[in-house]
Amino acid sequence: AQSVSQHNHHVILSEAASLELGCNYSYGGTVNLFWYVQYPGQHLQLLLKYFSGDPLVKGIKGFEAEFIKSKFSFNLRKPSVQWSDTAEYFCAVKLISNFGNEKLTFGTGTRLTIIP
Amino acid sequence: KAGVTQTPRYLIKTRGQQVTLSCSPISGHRSVSWYQQTPGQGLQFLFEYFSETQRNKGNFPGRFSGRQFSNSRSEMNVSTLELGDSALYLCASRESPGTGSYGYTFGSGTRLTVV
Repeated sequence: AQSVSQHNHHVILSEAASLELGCNYSYGGTVNLFWYVQYPGQHLQLLLKYFSGDPLVKGIKGFEAEFIKSKFSFNLRKPSVQWSDTAEYFCAVKLISNFGNEKLTFGTGTRLTIIP
Repeated sequence: KAGVTQTPRYLIKTRGQQVTLSCSPISGHRSVSWYQQTPGQGLQFLFEYFSETQRNKGNFPGRFSGRQFSNSRSEMNVSTLELGDSALYLCASRESPGTGSYGYTFGSGTRLTVV
């Protein structure tokens, strides 16, 4: 069964620091990859997604992620974080299989706290 | 375009009762998925419906069930509630299976507390 690992459970950074959140998945086939963000009291929002093509994906709010197939990784990055980036971040993987047999599998999330 | 609407937002039930949660997808979206979110387990997939048929199911007991109506609205039912069912239940919609390029849009969730 596919699984998604987010090894950083809680990350604390100061404003303007650089961010990298790890995401690894276990599935040898074709996957779609996502990062979602959940701000306090709000619903999950899509930050960025990868389906094919350029492995470096740019998303909203200055976030980007790089798909490294050989490492089964899809790490999220931002060069300079802001206090408003304080939120929980979820990596998700959808394996591409038979039609109608798709589901998003989420990592357990990384809580990001930015200190002003 | 309205987003994914989940009702009610908050719910308190006692052990042994049953509960029904509702999800209205984005207009034109025909696929609805349900997830359970808890602090310890993160987001766990419950099931997905498309065209009134369950397309995929997660590893939850039979107490968790769902259905989808012809207008794509979906309901989720949990019978014989247990304390461990306390969670945020999220619904996500997309156009249809196989159109993953558009991603999933999530609702704000229903916060269920079982006492």
